[in-house]
Order: sequence, then structure tokens, then C-alpha cells
Amino acid sequence: SAVISQKPSRDICQRGTSLTIQCQVDSQVTMMFWYRQQPGQSLTLIATANQGSEATYESGFVIDKFPISRPNLTFSTLTVSNMSPEDSSIYLCSVGGTGGSSTDTQYFGPGTRLTVL
Amino acid sequence: GDSVTQMEGPVTLSEEAFLTINCTYTATGYPSLFWYVQYPGEGLQLLLKATKADDKGSNKGFEATYRKETTSFHLEKGSVQVSDSAVYFCALSPTGGTSYGKLTFGQGTILTVHP
Repeated sequence: SAVISQKPSRDICQRGTSLTIQCQVDSQVTMMFWYRQQPGQSLTLIATANQGSEATYESGFVIDKFPISRPNLTFSTLTVSNMSPEDSSIYLCSVGGTGGSSTDTQYFGPGTRLTVL
Repeated sequence: GDSVTQMEGPVTLSEEAFLTINCTYTATGYPSLFWYVQYPGEGLQLLLKATKADDKGSNKGFEATYRKETTSFHLEKGSVQVSDSAVYFCALSPTGGTSYGKLTFGQGTILTVHP
């Protein structure tokens, strides 16, 4: 499977600011996704990051709050904008269609633990 | 829409005990099914998968069988170790349509294994 890294691994931010999270993969992948895991909860899909076009957002998530970029097949960013304490979560990127594996199998990065004060 | 339901935790076992974590799903068609594990402070790791009815996924002593008739994918291990303490997530992915490749997760089950 691909090696996936995320930066930063954790951060503590002030209310009203924005944070950009980077996801880097060591090989080209077909699909990239962003998930949120609120404290003690399961994972919720935020959006599918599409290479060269706008991301596809799930119900309840909007581009103004979570702008996403994917300039190529190995890299994506998620920005959490105008943060509030309710945005405190772990944000994870995942990839599918890597190393010949089927695109329905996703591999996850280590996550970014965000705390908003 | 698609959904995944896991047995409620937390689950606490002694080392070498038998483990079962129940997982049932609701989906259109024939999704792929997965178990992921999240160790403390880490991201998710794929534990095993099955893509069609009666398939058995296995890894690290864990097994799960895709049961279409009962829409279930229960996770089992014959003898757990302290190092198996983690959160286990059952998930499904549609195999077609506009939701192809998108994972739907269960709520997670916390497993604690004592020496």
C-alpha cells in the first residue's frame, strides 16, 4: 500500500483563524478523500478531492468552510476556515486506487489532531 | 442510504479470550466490506476486507465472513492479545453508482484486553 503523510500532525488554533492540512502520497493514486473524526466518534466523509477540478462535498459540508485543493495525483490540502471549538477533531485523508489495488479499498494517513480554543 | 451498525462497546476481555464484534449493514446492491483498526493516537489501518458474498477476509489472526443472507460481517479472533487493544471500525463501500469508493463507517467498538 502507499505511504501517506499528513502535516501538521497536530495543532492548537485560535477561534476565527484558518488551518491548512496537507496530505502527501508516495505514489500516484486515483482517489483522495478527507474525513473528520470528532472526539469519541466515528469517521464522517467531508469530500472527495478531485484532481484538477472542484472537490465533491458531502451533505453538511461546504466549500467556503472546507476548501480543498488537489493539484496532482499525489497531493491534496484541506483548509478548515474561520474555526470554532466545534471544529476540534481529527482530520484524516485517505487514498484509493493505489499500487494496483482496487479503488474501493482506502488507506488512511495518520491524521491531524486539531484543537480550537 | 447506506448504513453500518456495530455492537456497542466497550468490550473488555482477558488475554487469550475469544473475540466477536458484530457488524450488520444496510446497502443497495453488493458493497465491499471492511474492518479497520485504530490504535491509540494513530490513524486507521485496514485490517481485512471482503468483496463478495461468502468471502472470508483474514489478517493477523482476525477473520470476518461476508454473509449476504444476514447482511453481516462479524469480526472474530480466537485468542486476543493485549496488543489488540484498539478501536475497531466496520465499514462498507458501494461497488457502483455515484457513491462508488466512499466509505460508510460504523460507530466503532473499543476493545480493551487485560493481561
